Amino acid sequence: GAVVSQHPSWVICKSGTSVKIECRSLDFQATTMFWYRQFPKQSLMLMATSNEGSKATYEQGVEKDKFLINHASLTLSTLTVTSAHPEDSSFYICSARGASQIPNQYFGPGTRLLVL
Amino acid sequence: QKEVEQNSGPLSVPEGAIASLNCTYSDRGSQSFFWYRQYSGKSPELIMFIYSNGDKEDGRFTAQLNKASQYVSLLIRDSQPSDSATYLCAGGYDSWGKLQFGAGTQVVVTP
Repeated sequence: GAVVSQHPSWVICKSGTSVKIECRSLDFQATTMFWYRQFPKQSLMLMATSNEGSKATYEQGVEKDKFLINHASLTLSTLTVTSAHPEDSSFYICSARGASQIPNQYFGPGTRLLVL
Repeated sequence: QKEVEQNSGPLSVPEGAIASLNCTYSDRGSQSFFWYRQYSGKSPELIMFIYSNGDKEDGRFTAQLNKASQYVSLLIRDSQPSDSATYLCAGGYDSWGKLQFGAGTQVVVTP
């Protein structure tokens, strides 16, 4: 149980284009989903927290107009990197939390974004 | 500022030995703690969580929590080469379930 998928797993795009990443909880309803970014040899950096039907809450320093998050249902959240630039190249990972009082987060497999 | 501190390592452990990982946290409000394992190039996977003082065992893994001293530890018994990974400690600190992650400890199990 507690499987989270992400799509795509890899994306290469040209500078200036927008990229959408999907995160799905496959066998549970995710009350909250989280989006992280991880640069090589560094730890996870939380970008934003999203709850179904609500606006996402962004961490300090994360541009909400650049990283658009939509949490349309209890099983799907999307992250759109708008007008991507080479410095946005990173490993983007989503996680999902169910309704348990223990805040376990289950991670998706991640999406590697390379902006040329 | 909520902080979770871990030694970055690498922690070199002979195969079959016990790997001991430590983590300290600053927020006394944290109620639950998690250990994740992350292989190179992969996303983290949950190993175990603990929220009561004392020990919690799951197979070869034992988590220990001491809230008075604000530390969490993870023991890996009978370490195997497949245990070579980065281990992330995290503390839960708000009602949404946000986690504060440490930087991770790299473990290398040598045959």
